Amino acid sequence: SQKIEQNSEALNIQEGKTATLTCNYTNYSPAYLQWYRQDPGRGPVFLLLIRENEKEKRKERLKVTFDTTLKQSLFHITASQPADSATYLCATSSGGSYIPTFGRGTSLIVHP
Amino acid sequence: GAVVSQHPSRVICKSGTSVKIECRSLDFQATTMFWYRQFPKKSLMLMATSNEGSKATYEQGVEKDKFLINHASLTLSTLTVTSAHPEDSSFYICSARDLRTSDHEQFFGPGTRLTVL
Repeated sequence: SQKIEQNSEALNIQEGKTATLTCNYTNYSPAYLQWYRQDPGRGPVFLLLIRENEKEKRKERLKVTFDTTLKQSLFHITASQPADSATYLCATSSGGSYIPTFGRGTSLIVHP
Repeated sequence: GAVVSQHPSRVICKSGTSVKIECRSLDFQATTMFWYRQFPKKSLMLMATSNEGSKATYEQGVEKDKFLINHASLTLSTLTVTSAHPEDSSFYICSARDLRTSDHEQFFGPGTRLTVL
């Protein structure tokens, strides 16, 4: 089964810098890769989805890349703000199964 | 955007009682709903997938008689934790999709914190 690996250590950065979070998957190349934001005590919120035939996707200050050779996705937040502090979850799903597999998430802390 | 609500947001109950959690899709029809539980600093653990009008599909290790799921309409799914025990204390989150239109993203509810004394 698919295994999703995200850095368990919190990422601390200064306001205004670009935050980069990593998601690695171990087995098959997923048809879809998604990123979610989760605040403490709340359900995840969908941010971006990227397909296996897409290299990069952007939405406002967010950018996601998808490298099927490295089996990796990078999630970037440019001009980061303290309000961006949260846990970011990566999830993959195949074309045949619509049920995603979630990583444990990486905590991002943006210091003012 | 698609909105999913959950009720209650927090519940405390005595051991042995049953607790029902509702999950509603407010502005779209959810052909499929998912139920997850999440422990502190852990990933979402899928418990079951429910399709409207049919029986839920449970993940391995999840007791279907313990966690009763009903998906009677395209906007409502319920999870009932029967004869709850302290080890059932957790954060339960539902999510919903419209397989006819969505592009694999899921829309999550805000979660329900269950504490069993």
